[in-house]
Amino acid sequence: DGGITQSPKYLFRKEGQNVTLSCEQNLNHDAMYWYRQDPGQGLRLIYYSQIVNDFQKGDIAEGYSVSREKKESFPLTVTSAQKNPTAFYLCASTNTREQFFGPGTRLTVL
Amino acid sequence: EDQVTQSPEALRLQEGESSSLNCSYTVSGLRGLFWYRQDPGKGPEFLFTLYSAGEEKEKERLKATLTKKESFLHITAPKPEDSATYLCAGSCPPAGNNRKLIWGLGTSLAVNP
Repeated sequence: DGGITQSPKYLFRKEGQNVTLSCEQNLNHDAMYWYRQDPGQGLRLIYYSQIVNDFQKGDIAEGYSVSREKKESFPLTVTSAQKNPTAFYLCASTNTREQFFGPGTRLTVL
Repeated sequence: EDQVTQSPEALRLQEGESSSLNCSYTVSGLRGLFWYRQDPGKGPEFLFTLYSAGEEKEKERLKATLTKKESFLHITAPKPEDSATYLCAGSCPPAGNNRKLIWGLGTSLAVNP
C-alpha cells in the first residue's frame, strides 16, 4: 500500500535533548513538508523540500533541522533550541498541489 | 495578507440535520482550494480540491462548492461518523518551487445520534 509513515507515534523529550522524528513515503512524491499543529492554531509550516538534497525554511523553522538524503525520507530534528516543542507534528508529501499527510507524531517535553 | 477563515469554529448537529461549513479566503491568485477531514490524534485526510468559481465536487454526504470569495462544505443528512474537524486551505502561486498552502483553523463538527 502506498502511503506516508511517521514514527514514533508518541515521543517524550527531556529538556535539553535533541530528538528526531521520522517520515517515510512510498508514493514517489518529490515534495515533502513538515508542519506543527497546536490547539487553536492552524497548521504551521516548519520546513519543506522539493527535491533530494534541497530544503527550505518555512514559517517557524527556528529550533528545527531537516535533511533530505533520499527521495523517500525527510526526518525532522527538534533541537534543544526549540523552546516550546510540545505539539503534534505532521509530515506531508505531494507531486501536485494536494498534500497527503502521515498519521503524525505527538511530542511531549517532560 | 493571504488568509483563510473558517466558520463556525464548532458545530453540533443532530443525525440527519443538513448544514454547511464556510471557508472564506483572501489569497491572491488562488491556485486551488482544498478540504481535509481530521479525526482526533490523526493526520488530515484529503477530501476535495476546487480550482475555479462555480466548481462543485461530491463524495458521499459531502459536497464542496467554490465562489470567488469563499467555499462551502455542505453536509447532507450527516451521520455520527461524520464527526471530525474539517480543514480548509488555499494554495498560493508558487514562489520558486514552493507550493505553499494557507490553512484555516478548522470547524469542529459533532453529529449526535
